[in-house]
Amino acid sequence: DAGVTQSPTHLIKTRGQQVTLRCSPKSGHDTVSWYQQALGQGPQFIFQYYEEEERQRGNFPDRFSGHQFPNYSSELNVNALLLGDSALYLCASTVSGAPPTDTQYFGPGTRLTVL
Amino acid sequence: QKEVEQNSGPLSVPEGAIASLNCTYSDRGSQSFFWYRQYSGKSPELIMSIYSNGDKEDGRFTAQLNKASQYVSLLIRDSQPSDSATYLCAALTGGGNKLTFGTGTQLKVEL
Repeated sequence: DAGVTQSPTHLIKTRGQQVTLRCSPKSGHDTVSWYQQALGQGPQFIFQYYEEEERQRGNFPDRFSGHQFPNYSSELNVNALLLGDSALYLCASTVSGAPPTDTQYFGPGTRLTVL
Repeated sequence: QKEVEQNSGPLSVPEGAIASLNCTYSDRGSQSFFWYRQYSGKSPELIMSIYSNGDKEDGRFTAQLNKASQYVSLLIRDSQPSDSATYLCAALTGGGNKLTFGTGTQLKVEL
């Protein structure tokens, strides 16, 4: 049973560039959430996708956008990169309608460095 | 006030001792709470989840929840050097759609 997968593992970009990160949810999961974790901080919720729609969004600017595909995989796009966007980007998946006790399973993350 | 608060540590305990990690939350609508362990450079790994008041035990780990005091804790018995990591407390908020994390507590288990 494949867990959550993310690609790439590491990425180095320069300020002003654009980046796309990818996530495949755990088998049987249909909901994908993205989190940003800066060094020394806890993960911060960016947004959640279900049925190819953004269902909820955290306090992130419009430079952060996403997409969910019919196979439930998801992309996170960040435009006009800033130095402060350097972080570990985590994807988590779950099943919509699951009890609140169900866990969100995290992927291994993508380490983004903006120079 | 942050939604989920933790002492950043580091918390140092000798091998074999009990480590006690604490967390408070502000949103009374939070239904479930999770403890994740995170090794440096890795993604969070679930340790325990709890949603009812009281204690929940799983092996060497015990999670405690007190909704009246808005307080969650994690006890690690017989601490091992491999338990050295950052422990993240998270609350399920936003109508049950998002996890809100604390900043994490760094635990060091010393030989």
